[in-house]
Amino acid sequence: DAGVIQSPRHEVTEMGQEVTLRCKPISGHDYLFWYRQTMMRGLELLIYFNNNVPIDDSGMPEDRFSAKMPNASFSTLKIQPSEPRDSAVYFCASSPGLAGDIDEQYFGPGTRLTVT
Amino acid sequence: QKEVEQNSGPLSVPEGAIASLNCTYSDRGSQSFFWYRQYSGKSPELIMSIYSNGDKEDGRFTAQLNKASQYVSLLIRDSQPSDSATYLCAVRVITNFGNEKLTFGTGTRLTIIP
Repeated sequence: DAGVIQSPRHEVTEMGQEVTLRCKPISGHDYLFWYRQTMMRGLELLIYFNNNVPIDDSGMPEDRFSAKMPNASFSTLKIQPSEPRDSAVYFCASSPGLAGDIDEQYFGPGTRLTVT
Repeated sequence: QKEVEQNSGPLSVPEGAIASLNCTYSDRGSQSFFWYRQYSGKSPELIMSIYSNGDKEDGRFTAQLNKASQYVSLLIRDSQPSDSATYLCAVRVITNFGNEKLTFGTGTRLTIIP
């Protein structure tokens, strides 16, 4: 299996621009998670989906952030407009969700976002 | 109080010695606990899970859980330079909305000295 795929791996953009991060989960996994990692705050859950439906978006920091999962094999995280404080590594993870269990999460390689 | 707390380190351990990593959590109702390893510039990977009080061993790794003290630890025996990484403690919690999620500590950076 190819594992979780994320693109781009690196993104440098100017403040105010729109940024779109992409994720392809492991085939057959029912859960998809978006995390953000910074030195100060560690790994934070932004939002997660179960069977393409958003379940908990309480971690999304502001209305500038939005996420979609139009089908079982694709999700996007969009930031519009971007700000320097959004600079972080964004991880996508998926989980098979056996019996509704979210425990086994497999992480993608991450997207390192730099907003100047 | 943070939900999951870890000493950020760095923790330096001589090669061949036992590395001991600790984690405390605030939600007394939590039932599932995990250790993830993250190499520099890489993504976290799950290395241990533990659900019951006591010890769980997997190769050179032993996870220990004490729910009464709200304490989880990870022991790495015969430490190798390849064990040098940041170790993240994660706890499954129930949110205010009734959903479940993993909450991560900020991690302990471990360095094995040859």
